[in-house]
Amino acid sequence: EDQVTQSPEALRLQEGESSSLNCSYTVSGLRGLFWYRQDPGKGPEFLFTLYSAGEEKEKERLKATLTKKESFLHITAPKPEDSATYLCAVQARRGGATNKLIFGTGTLLAVQP
Amino acid sequence: NAGVMQNPRHLVRRRGQEARLRCSPMKGHSHVYWYRQLPEEGLKFMVYLQKENIIDESGMPKERFSAEFPKEGPSILRIQQVVRGDSAAYFCASSPGTVNYGYTFGSGTRLTVV
Repeated sequence: EDQVTQSPEALRLQEGESSSLNCSYTVSGLRGLFWYRQDPGKGPEFLFTLYSAGEEKEKERLKATLTKKESFLHITAPKPEDSATYLCAVQARRGGATNKLIFGTGTLLAVQP
Repeated sequence: NAGVMQNPRHLVRRRGQEARLRCSPMKGHSHVYWYRQLPEEGLKFMVYLQKENIIDESGMPKERFSAEFPKEGPSILRIQQVVRGDSAAYFCASSPGTVNYGYTFGSGTRLTVV
């Protein structure tokens, strides 16, 4: 069964204190791995898509990396406005036309000034 | 350039009533997805639709739930005879085709069943 596990469930950082969020996955052939950010009361906001092991993408203070079993979201020198829930999702490569994503339960990040 | 529009934002229904959730995709997007988010749980896929077609409804309960995306107008997620366990945030997302670009999500409809 395709599955996504995120850790830690919650993370509290001081402003400027870099860290990483983990997303472990098991999937019957990975078509894509997605990172989203979700603020309270809002829908998820797309951040990155990664397709193959070794791939990296960056956006401001965020950098996403991918291996064959997991992905990391590195946050460099975070600011309070980076506080949010970060969601990881995978799309399986399998027969059929489905585009569905399988989400983890997220990491709640709080950055204190 | 409006994003994915969902309405209502909040919906309160008594047990046994019907709930209708509406979603207008982004301009140029022909693929619509519905997800449900329960407290302390991740987003769960419900259904994937293209205009006038249901492509994948593997995540949608067989009873009481239905979805449509007509040729004209928004996509509708319909829940008949709601129960307390249906209380959740329902998110709609759209994409232009494949999801390689990532879905664009709406702000959700928060359904409360009393």
